[in-house]
Amino acid sequence: NAGVTQTPKFQVLKTGQSMTLQCAQDMNHNSMYWYRQDPGMGLRLIYYSASEGTTDKGEVPNGYNVSRLNKREFSLRLESAAPSQTSVYFCASRFGTGSSYEQYFGPGTRLTVT
Amino acid sequence: EDQVTQSPEALRLQEGESSSLNCSYTVSGLRGLFWYRQDPGKGPEFLFTLYSAGEEKEKERLKATLTKKESFLHITAPKPEDSATYLCAVQALIQGAQKLVFGQGTRLTINP
Repeated sequence: NAGVTQTPKFQVLKTGQSMTLQCAQDMNHNSMYWYRQDPGMGLRLIYYSASEGTTDKGEVPNGYNVSRLNKREFSLRLESAAPSQTSVYFCASRFGTGSSYEQYFGPGTRLTVT
Repeated sequence: EDQVTQSPEALRLQEGESSSLNCSYTVSGLRGLFWYRQDPGKGPEFLFTLYSAGEEKEKERLKATLTKKESFLHITAPKPEDSATYLCAVQALIQGAQKLVFGQGTRLTINP
C-alpha cells in the first residue's frame, strides 16, 4: 500500500515552459487535492476533486489546470510556467464521505521556475 | 474569514523539556481540527483529528486538546526525533465545499 505517490520529485523549468505533475493514490479515496507550500504562507489549496469526474477551484487556481483521470489519478498542469510558481506542490486525498475528513499527503514535488 | 494562527513560529527545547504548541482558529461551524507533522523534504503526516471542545487525543509523547477557540499540542519529555514542523488545520465550509485551512506551522527543534 503506497498511499499517495507523486512524480516527479524535483523539476526545473524555464519561464514559459509547460509541465504536468502526476499524483496517484491506492487507498480508494473519493476526494483528491492539490496544494502549494511556500515559506511563511502555509499550505494553500490550488484545485480539488470531490469525486471522479468533478473538479473545482481552490484558493489560488490561476495559472493551473487539473484533470481527474480516474478515481486513482489527479494531475496538475502548468501551461506557461512563471517564477511565481516556484514552490513545493503536494497532492492529498481523503475518503470524502462520513465524518472522516483527514487528508493524506504525498511526498511533494519541488518545482523551480527560472 | 476563516483563519488559523499557530504560535510560536519556532520553538527550541532540550531533550526531556515538556512544552505546548498553540493553534487558535476562527471558523464558522468547526467540523474538525487536524494536527500534522512535517519532516524536512517530506509531505505532512496525519497525527490527530479533534471534533469537539473538551476532546483529547494521545499518541506516544504527544497529546492534542481542543477548546472552542484553540487547540494545544502538548509534548511531554520530547526526544530529538520529535523535531519537525507541526501543522494545524481546521475543516471549514468554503464556497459550498468542505476544505482544510492550514496554519503556518510551528518548527520544533529538540536538542540532545
